[in-house]
Amino acid sequence: NAGVMQNPRHLVRRRGQEARLRCSPVKGHSHVYWYRQLPEEGLKFMVYLQKENIIDESGMPKERFSAEFPKEGPSILRIQQVVRGDSAAYFCASSPSSGGTILTGHDTQYFGPGTRLTVL
Amino acid sequence: GESVGLHLPTLSVQEGDNSIINCAYSNSASDYFIWYKQESGKGPQFIIDIRSNMDKRQGKRVTVLLNKTVKHLSLQIAATQPGDSAVYFCAERGGTSYGKLTFGQGTILTVHP
Repeated sequence: NAGVMQNPRHLVRRRGQEARLRCSPVKGHSHVYWYRQLPEEGLKFMVYLQKENIIDESGMPKERFSAEFPKEGPSILRIQQVVRGDSAAYFCASSPSSGGTILTGHDTQYFGPGTRLTVL
Repeated sequence: GESVGLHLPTLSVQEGDNSIINCAYSNSASDYFIWYKQESGKGPQFIIDIRSNMDKRQGKRVTVLLNKTVKHLSLQIAATQPGDSAVYFCAERGGTSYGKLTFGQGTILTVHP
């Protein structure tokens, strides 16, 4: 049973370049979440996606950041024109459902190992 | 000016002792709470969860207590082992943001042999 897969595990970019982070959810999970973690801090929510839909992007910076979860393939978090402040660990999580108003027990979010982005 | 790093709360215990890690949450509308364990260089690992209609839930060596009156959550680890050393985060889901988890700052647990 494969868990959430993320690649690359480490990514180094120079200022102004683009970063693409990939996330493959647990097989059968249709909900994906992206979080960012700065050193010695908790995770901060960025975006919640279902297949081909962005459900909640309230945590995404207004510029340079975008996310998608296509019908086929992994979810992608894209950061354009990276700056040093983008350096962080980016974690993806997946769940079978979001829980909605009925707590079905299928909404626990399981996390991947993360991608550590370093911007030089 | 000089920048100051954020220092996480720490808890040091001896192997075999029981550990209690506390968390205060802010959203009275939160309906679901989770404890995660994060080891250095790894992603958060699910430990145990609890719904808002419960006040206690037990797993293997772990117990979560929820006090909605004072908005407080705790994680109890019985017979703590060196492998339990990690950062522990509580997370809450509340209101209408069913997909969004809000994480606490974390507590560093160190278990001494």
